[in-house]
Amino acid sequence: RKEVEQDPGPFNVPEGATVAFNCTYSNSASQSFFWYRQDCRKEPKLLMSVYSSGNEDGRFTAQLNRASQYISLLIRDSKLSDSATYLCVVNGGGSYIPTFGRGTSLIVHP
Amino acid sequence: DVKVTQSSRYLVKRTGEKVFLECVQDMDHENMFWYRQDPGLGLRLIYFSYDVKMKEKGDIPEGYSVSREKKERFSLILESASTNQTSMYLCASSPSGTAQRTDTQYFGPGTRLTVL
Repeated sequence: RKEVEQDPGPFNVPEGATVAFNCTYSNSASQSFFWYRQDCRKEPKLLMSVYSSGNEDGRFTAQLNRASQYISLLIRDSKLSDSATYLCVVNGGGSYIPTFGRGTSLIVHP
Repeated sequence: DVKVTQSSRYLVKRTGEKVFLECVQDMDHENMFWYRQDPGLGLRLIYFSYDVKMKEKGDIPEGYSVSREKKERFSLILESASTNQTSMYLCASSPSGTAQRTDTQYFGPGTRLTVL
């Protein structure tokens, strides 16, 4: 299976900042894309799906760039509660098995 | 709400013991997965099942086996536990997908296994 790569961070930002993460994938036939959030010592949970047209949910915006094979997650007006690890997941391209990135750590400080 | 439960949150076993980790989902999902998660290595797939009695090896199946006798239950078996199998084990399920797409995964709370 092909790879999914993320900058592990940590990204250390003050409250109120805007922060963006990218995730690159190598399988050009990939069909579906997700961002998951994982809090310390907890299980991953779906944050949002990433559609070709982009996806916005409140302070969070996810985008897909098929030409350059990456997805992005933008968080505006960061809150302390946004501190977590953000996992990029890429599915499809001939496999049932989703491929996870290793995650990007975000720390939001007062 | 989808619920995925795992039999234990914490487990301590001795080297050489046979270990059973159970996972149950209540949403009639076809796909079930077992991962282990270690610091710096991310989530690594051990085994995957897309139907009852069907299984596929993931990236790191050595030292593990699985059983799926019923749709809702997927068991991970460590035949002879070793210290390098100390890890967080996460089970997940997802609805059916084609080879081109796979739907959202729902994770259980995890089992932190320590092998002494």
